[in-house]
Amino acid sequence: AQTVTQSQPEMSVQEAETVTLSCTYDTSESNYYLFWYKQPPSRQMILVIRQEAYKQQNATENRFSVNFQKAAKSFSLKISDSQLGDTAMYFCAFMPSYNTDKLIFGTGTRLQVFP
Amino acid sequence: DAGVIQSPRHEVTEMGQEVTLRCKPISGHDYLFWYRQTMMRGLELLIYFNNNVPIDDSGMPEDRFSAKMPNASFSTLKIQPSEPRDSAVYFCASTPVRNQPQHFGDGTRLSIL
Repeated sequence: AQTVTQSQPEMSVQEAETVTLSCTYDTSESNYYLFWYKQPPSRQMILVIRQEAYKQQNATENRFSVNFQKAAKSFSLKISDSQLGDTAMYFCAFMPSYNTDKLIFGTGTRLQVFP
Repeated sequence: DAGVIQSPRHEVTEMGQEVTLRCKPISGHDYLFWYRQTMMRGLELLIYFNNNVPIDDSGMPEDRFSAKMPNASFSTLKIQPSEPRDSAVYFCASTPVRNQPQHFGDGTRLSIL
């Protein structure tokens, strides 16, 4: 079965600092997609970043970047220059590329950014 | 463009009552997903549709749950009869094509007393 593990239930960081959230997954497939979603207290689910497994280059979106290690099945999210608005739950999600469009979510990491 | 629209935003009802949650996907999105979020189980996919046809309903917990998509711009998730353990946040999401990021609605917080 395909699973997604986020081993850090909670993290905190000071404003303007850098923080890295961990995610590992288990799959036997060679091609798939990985996502990070953010859920602020308002409850919305907001896409942060997307990575395709066949692409070697790590995805980047402004202050957000990933460290994708395919062999290790690791997909961590780095937030640079943290802002108070980054306070949220962060979910890592996995989508196999064949046969299904199901998103499998991790349990989430609650990130608190302090002034 | 309007995003995924869900209604109601909050629903409180008594055990045994029928509950209907509604979703309007983004125009042009051929895939529609229903998720449930609870503290115990996290985010789990209940069912998804492609071009109004249910593709995978393996996540629907039991026969009390049903979902329909009568046309490309509307879907419902119905619980009948409702039970306290159905209390959760229910999200609807849509995407235009396969393997693309899903766009989520604001969710419906359902409380069954």
